[in-house]
Amino acid sequence: AQSVTQLDSQVPVFEEAPVELRCNYSSSVSVYLFWYVQYPNQGLQLLLKYLSGSTLVKGINGFEAEFNKSQTSFHLRKPSVHISDTAEYFCAVRLPRGGSNYKLTFGKGTLLTVNP
Amino acid sequence: GAGVSQSPSNKVTEKGKDVELRCDPISGHTALYWYRQRLGQGLEFLIYFQGNSAPDKSGLPSDRFSAERTGESVSTLTIQRTQQEDSAVYLCASSARAGVTYNSPLHFGNGTRLTVT
Repeated sequence: AQSVTQLDSQVPVFEEAPVELRCNYSSSVSVYLFWYVQYPNQGLQLLLKYLSGSTLVKGINGFEAEFNKSQTSFHLRKPSVHISDTAEYFCAVRLPRGGSNYKLTFGKGTLLTVNP
Repeated sequence: GAGVSQSPSNKVTEKGKDVELRCDPISGHTALYWYRQRLGQGLEFLIYFQGNSAPDKSGLPSDRFSAERTGESVSTLTIQRTQQEDSAVYLCASSARAGVTYNSPLHFGNGTRLTVT
């Protein structure tokens, strides 16, 4: 089975500062990796995904993430955050193939709060 | 519609009552998921529907929980004899295809916030 650990439950930062949200995963096989964002009272939106190829993936709203296989990590970064980035961010994994590869396994989320 | 629609957006119920939550997926999406999001927790998989195949119910936490889907349209999640630990946001998601076709992202609804008093 796969599992996802988001090391920080809350990350407060000031506007225009850089931010990194950490995600580590555990799996005995290769996985696909995802970051989702959830704004208050809304559903989740896909920020970016890693399936294969280049380990640095770029997503929407200026976010990017780097897949590190040796460290089983997929940390999310943004060089300069805005107030509007305040939201909860979820890391998730999925098997690329197999009987239950439609299931996403989520971490517990990181609440990013951007202060003026 | 433009996105996944869930109703009601909020539901307060007394312990022991039954509740029914509704999900309207994006038209044409064959895959439909229900997830539960409890306070301070990640999303827990509940159930998955894909076309006319048998649903994957492996995530349903107890026999008080059940879900149905009519063809490739509306789904309802029913919780019988609600308990306080059922309080959570219930999220529905749909996708054009699932599994091997990884280019079909999940589209989530805004969820139903269930409070059991």
